[in-house]
Amino acid sequence: DIQMTQSPSSLSASVGDRVTITCRASQGISNYLAWYQQKPGKVPKLLIYAASTLQSGVPSRFSGSGSGTDFTLTISSLQPEDVATYYCQKYNSAPPTWTFGQGTKVEIK
Amino acid sequence: EVQLVQSGAEVKKPGESLKISCKGSGYSFTSYWIGWVRQMPGKGLEWMGIIYPGDSDTRYSPSFQGQVTISADKSISTAYLQWSSLKASDTAMYYCARSLDAFDIWGQGTMVTVSS
Repeated sequence: DIQMTQSPSSLSASVGDRVTITCRASQGISNYLAWYQQKPGKVPKLLIYAASTLQSGVPSRFSGSGSGTDFTLTISSLQPEDVATYYCQKYNSAPPTWTFGQGTKVEIK
Repeated sequence: EVQLVQSGAEVKKPGESLKISCKGSGYSFTSYWIGWVRQMPGKGLEWMGIIYPGDSDTRYSPSFQGQVTISADKSISTAYLQWSSLKASDTAMYYCARSLDAFDIWGQGTMVTVSS
């Protein structure tokens, strides 16, 4: 099984800071990587798919990069409404599984 | 509007069976996978399995294989997640989500509480 490992598990940053979350796959997954945002008590929301493609309607301060085993989600200027837990997910690459990382909780300092 | 509407919250006793549903609308139900995701209280997202309603091709996470059954009735655009014998550890929020690749549309979630 391919495992997805995120770091850090939590972070605290100031409004306007640049925030970076990393996700590592235990084997290469090409660019079959998505990022989700889940605000407290809410349904998860797709932010980025194919490692770097922004889902329609998602603010441009969010960006994704990477390929193979190492991926990054960046928030260029943290806003109060970005307080949430962020998850990476490997999808549909061999083997066909849709495994999530353990999540990164983002808070405002 | 594309949406997935899940069945309502359930409270069950250990050992009981349960089937929850996820109805798709606003798109071709048979052209997208429907995945199921568990979120235990205060914990992260766990992928359970996925089904392609067009031909009922079903894949399970090894962690959930044999523990649950995923099915779909394409005639009514509905996917299902079922348990034959619930345990207290099945207490969680369960989400369905549409997938062409990533999970782009999510249901509102079904809270399942298993308690004696």
